[in-house]
Amino acid sequence: GEDVEQSLFLSVREGDSSVINCTYTDSSSTYLYWYKQEPGAGLQLLTYIFSNMDMKQDQRLTVLLNKKDKHLSLRIADTQTGDSAIYFCAETDYYGGSQGNLIFGKGTKLSVKP
Amino acid sequence: NAGVTQTPKFQVLKTGQSMTLQCAQDMNHEYMSWYRQDPGMGLRLIHYSVGAGITDQGEVPNGYNVSRSTTEDFPLRLLSAAPSQTSVYFCASRTSGGDGGEQFFGPGTRLTVL
Repeated sequence: GEDVEQSLFLSVREGDSSVINCTYTDSSSTYLYWYKQEPGAGLQLLTYIFSNMDMKQDQRLTVLLNKKDKHLSLRIADTQTGDSAIYFCAETDYYGGSQGNLIFGKGTKLSVKP
Repeated sequence: NAGVTQTPKFQVLKTGQSMTLQCAQDMNHEYMSWYRQDPGMGLRLIHYSVGAGITDQGEVPNGYNVSRSTTEDFPLRLLSAAPSQTSVYFCASRTSGGDGGEQFFGPGTRLTVL
């Protein structure tokens, strides 16, 4: 079945760049997503990328997609303490006739040290 | 717009009790879903619905029932709670049509089963 893999932890210093990596299995996914979860809160969509794109930039966020290797990354420039959260990568499940349900990775906990 | 709302925010049950987690959205979204989030497991899909009167199982449906009598509401029922159902439950909605678009999440219900 489909699977999304992420490293579980990342620690950076304030002002540095953070890079969170993700690998996925479903090559038919049209969109790939990054969600952010702050402590005690629900999930908030950060950004998503269409599968025919290699890169998408949105202010401090850069998403890179390597479709051949099924590798997705999220770069946060000038990381701030407010960026401390869990970041989830997600792909769309199309197997078995499902209706585009999202499959999530286990999440990467980003800790930003002042 | 209130977005996706969930009640209650917190709940403690004893083993064998039943309860219903409520979810409502006011965005006229056809697609709604329930996930559970456990430490180190990411989010796993329980049940989903692509419209009123239509529901289907996700990855971890055992022990849970759903129904969708209106577009707005998608309650999740635990018929006989078990300690393994201790988790944080998230409801989500989006427009239908397969892939793409933002999936909106509710704030979550934190359930403890003793």
